[in-house]
Order: sequence, then structure tokens, then C-alpha cells
Amino acid sequence: RKEVEQDPGPFNVPEGATVAFNCTYSNSASQSFFWYRQDCRKEPKLLMSVYSSGNEDGRFTAQLNRASQYISLLIRDSKLSDSATYLCVVNKGGFGNEKLTFGTGTRLTIIP
Amino acid sequence: DTEVTQTPKHLVMGMTNKKSLKCEQHMGHRAMYWYKQKAKKPPELMFVYSYEKLSINESVPSRFSPECPNSSLLNLHLHALQPEDSALYLCASSQANLLAGGSYEQYFGPGTRLTVT
Repeated sequence: RKEVEQDPGPFNVPEGATVAFNCTYSNSASQSFFWYRQDCRKEPKLLMSVYSSGNEDGRFTAQLNRASQYISLLIRDSKLSDSATYLCVVNKGGFGNEKLTFGTGTRLTIIP
Repeated sequence: DTEVTQTPKHLVMGMTNKKSLKCEQHMGHRAMYWYKQKAKKPPELMFVYSYEKLSINESVPSRFSPECPNSSLLNLHLHALQPEDSALYLCASSQANLLAGGSYEQYFGPGTRLTVT
């Protein structure tokens, strides 16, 4: 089983729609969770960290379910500029253990 | 300002060449990272430096040699590479993790697109 699993998509969604991505992780000792977005031929950019209480940043909402080892990202009122690959990222944390494990990414295309 | 810079943006090198990739950050971060990313794949960790000391080497071949001259700079020295080493090489930085539990967000540079001929 992969350490971090995501649906690779592609997701083709009309502008203005709501889209949800899911991600599962296998290591129950994981302590930090992130969503990054990566545009074609660019570097990954941090979208948001994911907390147990859930967190929201504008149109983006992230949720973490530790019991099910499941992370989600919801994008509301999607814009053309949201087209990108979304990477689910997990870290076991702990002293000296800065290794991020990336999911394979979910490709999103917003259609005008 | 969350900015990590990398030079060069593009690099083409022959299999017998020696070249270096450079990375710089001025965010006061004490952990720095090298990743390799092939097309349509996620980044793969190569090396981690924490407080200028190498803390993780993900069994990377010795033709890749990292160096951390100071807390702001990270280099990757390349020698006798193979065509399959062609990829996007990403540098990242973060606060260093001193406590058990949790970790800090990593910020990536724009990468160096390397082609080995």
C-alpha cells in the first residue's frame, strides 16, 4: 500500500462548481499534513496546512480525520486559475524527521 | 517573504561534465532540502540539511554531492551524471524541527531543469 494515496484524476470541472479531493495515508504516526498545488513546469506551492480541527482559507477548506487516516480539500466557487495539480503531503514529524511524503497528485482542470 | 531562489533555471550538461546547482533562502530557515522531480511524478526527497549538517541522505548515488556552506545556502554538485538523471531539481527550506511532534511547512524554489546528454 502506498504511504499517501490520491485519486490521480483528471478532474474536469465547470467554473463555479465545488470540487473535493480526498487523500489517505498509511502511517498512523503521521503528525503533519499539507496540501500543495503545482502548476505545469513550476514548483509546488504550499496551499494550506491541515489541522485536526479543520481549517478554511477563503474558498478552500481542509479537513483531517485521524481515525480514518483521511485528508480532504474542498474548493468552492472554482476559478479558472485553480487549474493545477493538487498534492497531498504527509510528514511523520518528530525531531530530525523532516521527510515529506507526497501523494501522486490530482490533476484539476476548470472548464470555462 | 517566503522566497527560495535557485540558479541556474536550466542546465544542459554532458555525462563527463561537473556542474553545481545553487539554492539560497533568507527566511532564517535552518532546514534545507534537495528534491528530484520527474515529469508527471511527485517530488522525491534526496537530501536534508538541518543546522548545516546533513541529516538525511535518501540513498542518493555519489555522483550527487550536497554541500551547505552556511545557513542560507545549499549547493548540489553534479559529476558524471547519466541521462536518466535529467529532471527538475527543487530546493526547499523550512524551520528546523526541534521538538517531537509536528513539522513545519516547506517552501520550494522554482527549480533547475537539468538535461543530461
